[in-house]
Amino acid sequence: AQSVTQLDSQVPVFEEAPVELRCNYSSSVSVYLFWYVQYPNQGLQLLLKYLSGSTLVKGINGFEAEFNKSQTSFHLRKPSVHISDTAEYFCAVIFGGSNYKLTFGKGTLLTVNP
Amino acid sequence: SAVISQKPSRDICQRGTSLTIQCQVDSQVTMMFWYRQQPGQSLTLIATANQGSEATYESGFVIDKFPISRPNLTFSTLTVSNMSPEDSSIYLCSVERTPTGELFFGEGSRLTVL
Repeated sequence: AQSVTQLDSQVPVFEEAPVELRCNYSSSVSVYLFWYVQYPNQGLQLLLKYLSGSTLVKGINGFEAEFNKSQTSFHLRKPSVHISDTAEYFCAVIFGGSNYKLTFGKGTLLTVNP
Repeated sequence: SAVISQKPSRDICQRGTSLTIQCQVDSQVTMMFWYRQQPGQSLTLIATANQGSEATYESGFVIDKFPISRPNLTFSTLTVSNMSPEDSSIYLCSVERTPTGELFFGEGSRLTVL
C-alpha cells in the first residue's frame, strides 16, 4: 500500500535555530508532494508543493523543501525558526493513478522555544 | 485559492444523536472531499463527493454512518449518524484545484460526543 512516513512525531527547537522535518513516501512512478501546516485550533494551510521541475521548492513563511526521487523523500527545512512557527506539519502525497487522492503522513509537531 | 466555510465550527453532542456539517465554497468545484482528524492523529479521507453522483467512500467508512449530500457545485454536507464518543474528531471539508491537485481546507468542525 502507498504510504507517507514522517519519522519524527515531535521536534523541539530553539528560536532562530535551523530545522528539518523529514518525510518519506513509498515508491511510485509519479508523485505530487505537499507540505501543510496546521496552527492550533485552525484548519490546514498549504506551505509548499512540488509538481514538477526544480527539485527545490520554496514556500511561504521562509520554508523550503527538496524532492529527492532516489531517496523518495521530501524534507522540509527552514534556516531560522520563529516562535510563531510552532504548529503541526503534515506531509502529503498524491500518488500516480490515485485519482488525485491525498495521502497524509501522521504529522510532526514543531515546537519552537524561546 | 478557495474560501471554504464550515458550520458548525464546533459542537458538543450526546451519544446516539446525529449532526450535519455544512461546507460552502466561494466558487464552483468539481470534487469535494471530507476528512476526519481524530485527536492527535493525521487526516483520513472519509469520502469524495462529486455533484450529481453518489459519494465514494473509503475503506472503513459507510454511507449509513456518514451520509453525504452534494446538491450543487458549491455546497456539501456530511452527517455523522448515531454518534458515539469514538466519533469525536475534527471533520474537514476540502476542495481540489485541478490540475495542480492541491487541496484547500476549511477550518474544520470540531465535534465532541459525550
